[in-house]
Amino acid sequence: QQPVQSPQAVILREGEDAVINCSSSKALYSVHWYRQKHGEAPIFLMILLKGGEQKGHDKISASFNEKKQQSSLYLTASQLSYSGTYFCGTELIQGAQKLVFGQGTRLTINP
Amino acid sequence: SAVISQKPSRDICQRGTSLTIQCQVDSQVTMMFWYRQQPGQSLTLIATANQGSEATYESGFVIDKFPISRPNLTFSTLTVSNMSPEDSSIYLCSVREGNRGTFGSGTRLTVV
Repeated sequence: QQPVQSPQAVILREGEDAVINCSSSKALYSVHWYRQKHGEAPIFLMILLKGGEQKGHDKISASFNEKKQQSSLYLTASQLSYSGTYFCGTELIQGAQKLVFGQGTRLTINP
Repeated sequence: SAVISQKPSRDICQRGTSLTIQCQVDSQVTMMFWYRQQPGQSLTLIATANQGSEATYESGFVIDKFPISRPNLTFSTLTVSNMSPEDSSIYLCSVREGNRGTFGSGTRLTVV
């Protein structure tokens, strides 16, 4: 079943922060975050494994609450380059490798 | 990370015809995944291609419509058969290396 992302779209000014949420109705093994710019392939950002870990990548970090089957992506002090559509992909079983993606969150960063 | 070469990058096809999309990976991978992405929409998994066995299709996708080949650990093809305008979409292949996923650049298909 497809995870649900919220919000569907966000418009920010450069330097502002954003949070994107991903929620699943099923128990998850891992959550993957991707960013896709218009006309390009999705780019891997990070993976969160069950265990409630939080990871960071430059000014982008994420958390995973396995009890609630929820993950959140945090973008701090956003840059123009952060614009794009963010997808969470969920992996139900360790080793399955295949991902079910959420519907995406479109992030627009204005100067 | 893996580098994927996908082709063609785009095509315009007549309804009723078939198109074969190729994906070449620069390293050996166990599984290759084929996704469809309609304009402005999410990525929907069509099937998982394993070398040496039949592809595993997701609900709503069938082998007769989307036959897949996986002759070795670096290559796979997806055929979109008997196309209709509803098949107009972007088709992407993807692989996983460890925890990191990589997508091909996609094939933008328009059926007229």
